[in-house]
Amino acid sequence: ETGVTQSPTHLIKTRGQQVTLRCSSQSGHNTVSWYQQALGQGPQFIFQYYREEENGRGNFPPRFSGLQFPNYSSELNVNALELDDSALYLCASSSGLTRAQEAFFGQGTRLTVV
Amino acid sequence: AQSVTQLGSHVSVSEGALVLLRCNYSSSVPPYLFWYVQYPNQGLQLLLKYTSAATLVKGINGFEAEFKKSETSFHLTKPSAHMSDAAEYFCAVSGAEYGNKLVFGAGTILRVKS
Repeated sequence: ETGVTQSPTHLIKTRGQQVTLRCSSQSGHNTVSWYQQALGQGPQFIFQYYREEENGRGNFPPRFSGLQFPNYSSELNVNALELDDSALYLCASSSGLTRAQEAFFGQGTRLTVV
Repeated sequence: AQSVTQLGSHVSVSEGALVLLRCNYSSSVPPYLFWYVQYPNQGLQLLLKYTSAATLVKGINGFEAEFKKSETSFHLTKPSAHMSDAAEYFCAVSGAEYGNKLVFGAGTILRVKS
């Protein structure tokens, strides 16, 4: 059984640029959620995709957008990067929307905006 | 209001001593509750979860947590700390009030002294 994998593991971008982060969900999982973890803080929910449709969004501006593909992998896109976007971005997959379902997290992508 | 409050951003214990990490939640209905562990430069790993079954929940690596509705608490304990337990621990809540997402506390860094 393949776990959740994220790429790249580290990334450095300049303010104003755009970035795409990728996530492959665990086999059999159809739900992917993205979280932002700033230094010294707990993860904050960005949005969730279920069967290729956005299903819930946190308090993040529209320049944070995403996609989910037919194989349930997902992308997180951030436009017009700001210094405060520097964080660990975590992807989590689960099998369905039942709230008690265990979410499996990837290793994360460390984004640094300079 | 904070949905999840973790008391103590840093906890230090001696090897072999009791580990107690505190978590309080605010919810009008009993939520689903989780404890995750994060090792440096890694994603989150689920330790245990409460989903309205038994109030005492046993997890991996010898950890357990007790759901106390009257105290709105879900504290994490381990009878005897091991050096490998040094990590950051996050309490999280999910349920009807939170949509299909996990809401995390700010985290507690556990240090284990030899």
